[in-house]
Amino acid sequence: AQSVTQLGSHVSVSEGALVLLRCNYSSSVPPYLFWYVQYPNQGLQLLLKYTSAATLVKGINGFEAEFKKSETSFHLTKPSAHMSDAAEYFCAVSPNRDDKIIFGKGTRLHILP
Amino acid sequence: EAGVTQFPSHSVIEKGQTVTLRCDPISGHDNLYWYRRVMGKEIKFLLHFVKESKQDESGMPNNRFLAERTGGTYSTLKVQPAELEDSGVYFCASSQELVTGSTDGSSRPYEQYFGPGTRLTVT
Repeated sequence: AQSVTQLGSHVSVSEGALVLLRCNYSSSVPPYLFWYVQYPNQGLQLLLKYTSAATLVKGINGFEAEFKKSETSFHLTKPSAHMSDAAEYFCAVSPNRDDKIIFGKGTRLHILP
Repeated sequence: EAGVTQFPSHSVIEKGQTVTLRCDPISGHDNLYWYRRVMGKEIKFLLHFVKESKQDESGMPNNRFLAERTGGTYSTLKVQPAELEDSGVYFCASSQELVTGSTDGSSRPYEQYFGPGTRLTVT
């Protein structure tokens, strides 16, 4: 069965610092991987997705993620944090040719002034 | 273009009562999904409609939950009778049909667009 593990339920970074949110997946086949973000009082929004076209995936708002098969990781990064990045981030996986999304527990990102 | 909408945004009911949640997908989206996030846990899949048919309902917790999508447009999720453990945020998502790549013929997953969720509190 596929699963996703997000390291750290809360992460705090200073404004302007590097953002790194960790995600490891478990899958017996090449998966489809996603990062979603939920801003306060809003729904889930897709940040980026990996679909085997390229290992480095660029998303919205300056975020990107790199698929590393050898490490079964899909960590999310952003070079310089902004106050508006404060939100909860979810790593997710979808089985090949299936459309059910399996989510990690989420990481709440806090931006320190 | 309007996004996925859900009603109500919040609902507080007593144990044993009935609640019906509604989801209106993006117009033209045949696929509709329900997910739930219980406090402190991950977001979990409940079920998937393709038009009016249930494609996958493997995530439905028990027979107190009934989902419908008559006519293949909006969907309702009824909880009857509600229990304390049903409290959480219920998300709805919709997507278009599976997209087939034009060059290699491979199929790519379509993006699921999520609604803002309904926060259900059972007391």
